[in-house]
Amino acid sequence: AQTVTQSQPEMSVQEAETVTLSCTYDTSENNYYLFWYKQPPSRQMILVIRQEAYKQQNATENRFSVNFQKAAKSFSLKISDSQLGDTAMYFCAFMIRGYSTLTFGKGTMLLVSP
Amino acid sequence: GAVVSQHPSWVICKSGTSVKIECRSLDFQATTMFWYRQFPKQSLMLMATSNEGSKATYEQGVEKDKFLINHASLTLSTLTVTSAHPEDSSFYICSARLPGPPAGEQFFGPGTRLTVL
Repeated sequence: AQTVTQSQPEMSVQEAETVTLSCTYDTSENNYYLFWYKQPPSRQMILVIRQEAYKQQNATENRFSVNFQKAAKSFSLKISDSQLGDTAMYFCAFMIRGYSTLTFGKGTMLLVSP
Repeated sequence: GAVVSQHPSWVICKSGTSVKIECRSLDFQATTMFWYRQFPKQSLMLMATSNEGSKATYEQGVEKDKFLINHASLTLSTLTVTSAHPEDSSFYICSARLPGPPAGEQFFGPGTRLTVL
């Protein structure tokens, strides 16, 4: 069975600063995908970024980037130039390639303050 | 991007009644949809995987007779909470998986808040 661990229940950062959210996972699979989803107060789940395990290059999406360490089974999310709209619950998720189901971590609540 | 809608966005019902929640993929066909349950300040818990034209696959511990899932078309899946009780009050979220590459990405509906009195 796959597990996803987010060890930071809450984090806070000031506007314009950089913050890193941690995620580790455990699996015996070799081909898989990792995701970061954002859930703002509206509770709409939004995909932030996706990483394919076979790709060594870290994924980036504008202000969002990941540090994917496959051997260490670590998948952290860096948010640069934080904005008030980044305030949300962030979930790390795992999916085995070829399957459909996502395994979510418990989430990290990020608060961006002015 | 792909859009998934849910209806209703919130519902209040009396204990013992049944409630149906609809999940629609608006601009793509989804052979696979998923139903999640989320309690306040907690993560999403997968309840079942809904496949078009076949029976849903339920996660361990989820009562299939209580949470009826029907995926009658490529754009619609429904979740019916039968004989609802206060402990069924929760936030229910559906998602739909895009067919083909890039594999795996799920698009989520906005959720339905169910309150059972």
